[in-house]
Amino acid sequence: AAGVIQSPRHLIKEKRETATLKCYPIPRHDTVYWYQQGPGQDPQFLISFYEKMQSDKGSIPDRFSAQQFSDYHSELNMSSLELGDSALYFCASSSTGTGEEKLFFGSGTQLSVL
Amino acid sequence: SQKIEQNSEALNIQEGKTATLTCNYTNYSPAYLQWYRQDPGRGPVFLLLIRENEKEKRKERLKVTFDTTLKQSLFHITASQPADSATYLCALDMRRSGAGSYQLTFGKGTKLSVIP
Repeated sequence: AAGVIQSPRHLIKEKRETATLKCYPIPRHDTVYWYQQGPGQDPQFLISFYEKMQSDKGSIPDRFSAQQFSDYHSELNMSSLELGDSALYFCASSSTGTGEEKLFFGSGTQLSVL
Repeated sequence: SQKIEQNSEALNIQEGKTATLTCNYTNYSPAYLQWYRQDPGRGPVFLLLIRENEKEKRKERLKVTFDTTLKQSLFHITASQPADSATYLCALDMRRSGAGSYQLTFGKGTKLSVIP
């Protein structure tokens, strides 16, 4: 079965640079989520989209933005990168209204800011 | 605000024994609570969901209980195997009214090591 696909798997950037992370949700899933997980930390919710509209916002810095496109893929744009942005970034998708609101996570993008 | 506490950062048990992990929350009882497994460098994988009106749920060697009075969920792995070694996260819905999606908030996880 198709899973959530994230790219790239690894990304190395310098401070103050910009990064774009991509996510392709499971087909027919209507909701996409972005999470940030620092080393030894739990995943922190950043932002979510339902049917291509932003639906919830968590602890996402103003330097970050995200959108979901007509084909349902989503991108997380990160500008003015800081050392503290180094983390594993997960995208997840779900199908709401099924009664089983479980999230399917991608393998993540490991971002290293040098 | 709602807080989730998993009381053990790490748990070591002998192969074949039952592992019991605890998840406590502080405020309102969520409509449901979920448990995920995470391996190093990988995304969390959904294991079980239990609703507030369910006391217990089972799936193969896994069992989850939900006590809204104690504000606690217990996660059990029976006949544990070294392959069960991973970090286990509990998560609950910080649902915002009227939203199509929701915020799933995770606990810090318990790293389980099953020793052969």
